[in-house]
Amino acid sequence: QQQVKQSPQSLIVQKGGISIINCAYENTAFDYFPWYQQFPGKGPALLIAIRPDVSEKKEGRFTISFNKSAKQFSLHIMDSQPGDSATYFCAAISGYSTLTFGKGTMLLVSP
Amino acid sequence: NAGVTQTPKFQVLKTGQSMTLQCAQDMNHEYMSWYRQDPGMGLRLIHYSVGAGITDQGEVPNGYNVSRSTTEDFPLRLLSAAPSQTSVYFCASSYNRGPSEAFFGQGTRLTVV
Repeated sequence: QQQVKQSPQSLIVQKGGISIINCAYENTAFDYFPWYQQFPGKGPALLIAIRPDVSEKKEGRFTISFNKSAKQFSLHIMDSQPGDSATYFCAAISGYSTLTFGKGTMLLVSP
Repeated sequence: NAGVTQTPKFQVLKTGQSMTLQCAQDMNHEYMSWYRQDPGMGLRLIHYSVGAGITDQGEVPNGYNVSRSTTEDFPLRLLSAAPSQTSVYFCASSYNRGPSEAFFGQGTRLTVV
């Protein structure tokens, strides 16, 4: 049973556009929602994370929007750049459980 | 500060062979874990450890074995390699189990023929 559903599987965005990746979860015990960014040939690295007591968190061009009632959260990349081309994973965790990852989104930002 | 170091980076095995994937971290993290990454499947947890001497199974543990004799090292053993174990393997560590940043190694690309 997939506990975190991520969409789309792949995404192509023009340079300067907004990239949006969505995730949904079922387990209401989840209380920490990180996003990881992975470049080809590298391991994932933490990009940004949010807790469910806030509806939005912004770090530079990256914003997480969180909708607790809908059990959904999303990553927005503003002014997308070719250097943002990577695979993005949403994840969730409850208390001291283990991280549950979505299946990933391959983002390509065309010049 | 090297972070999480995995060796080897690439490996080809024949079906039935055994091998050990090495993982070491120098951040004094208590929590370490192994994931496999397959196209369209995301990152799936194989085994994890909350400290030296303590290990537990993740989502896909069959065919793999782990031990944690020191805080720094967390090797993953393939007992009898099968083509279904062809994958990219990532080791990760974090300060503790729970809501803390996970640091990943660069991965081991394993092909079983």
